[in-house]
Amino acid sequence: LAKTTQPISMDSYEGQEVNITCSHNNIATNDYITWYQQFPSQGPRFIIQGYKTKVTNEVASLFIPADRKSSTLSLPRVSLSDTAVYYCLVGGMNTGFQKLVFGTGTRLLVSP
Amino acid sequence: NAGVTQTPKFQVLKTGQSMTLQCAQDMNHEYMSWYRQDPGMGLRLIHYSVGAGITDQGEVPNGYNVSRSTTEDFPLRLLSAAPSQTSVYFCASSARGAYEQYFGPGTRLTVT
Repeated sequence: LAKTTQPISMDSYEGQEVNITCSHNNIATNDYITWYQQFPSQGPRFIIQGYKTKVTNEVASLFIPADRKSSTLSLPRVSLSDTAVYYCLVGGMNTGFQKLVFGTGTRLLVSP
Repeated sequence: NAGVTQTPKFQVLKTGQSMTLQCAQDMNHEYMSWYRQDPGMGLRLIHYSVGAGITDQGEVPNGYNVSRSTTEDFPLRLLSAAPSQTSVYFCASSARGAYEQYFGPGTRLTVT
């Protein structure tokens, strides 16, 4: 399974755009990139997934460069409720999405 | 739909006791998994199942047993509780081939 590296923590203010970058240098051809969000005392919640280029949904955007060795989760105009831990996971197609590895994630703190 | 449910929410055990953490899902998902999350850490996979009657070990299976007799239920058994098993336990489910896992609310276990 591809190892991922993310910043341990990030700070932002309400209304700003937040970009969290994840490095995955040994990503395999069939691997997907998946992001989860976790609030305190809750289970993780799926945010977005992509394979290449750009994916957007109602919550976030995911940017993946051509070499796929990194990816960036973009949260537009964050609010206090976006304070959470964000996990970047890589893998899935060959190993099974139920076996993806959660690292320590990025702890995002949004302040007023 | 209730989604993924877990019982109990909290549990305190003495060293050497055994217990079963319950997990149920009503989405007819084939895949189910158990994770543990220690303070400040990411989630680590304990056991997973790709269908009724089929289970396999994850990253940290020692001290835990699972079985899957129905699609809906995936109980996790602690054979002889140890303080090192103090953690928050999350159950998750996903559809075959799908990349999105749905997590339960967690069970907070303390072993004294």
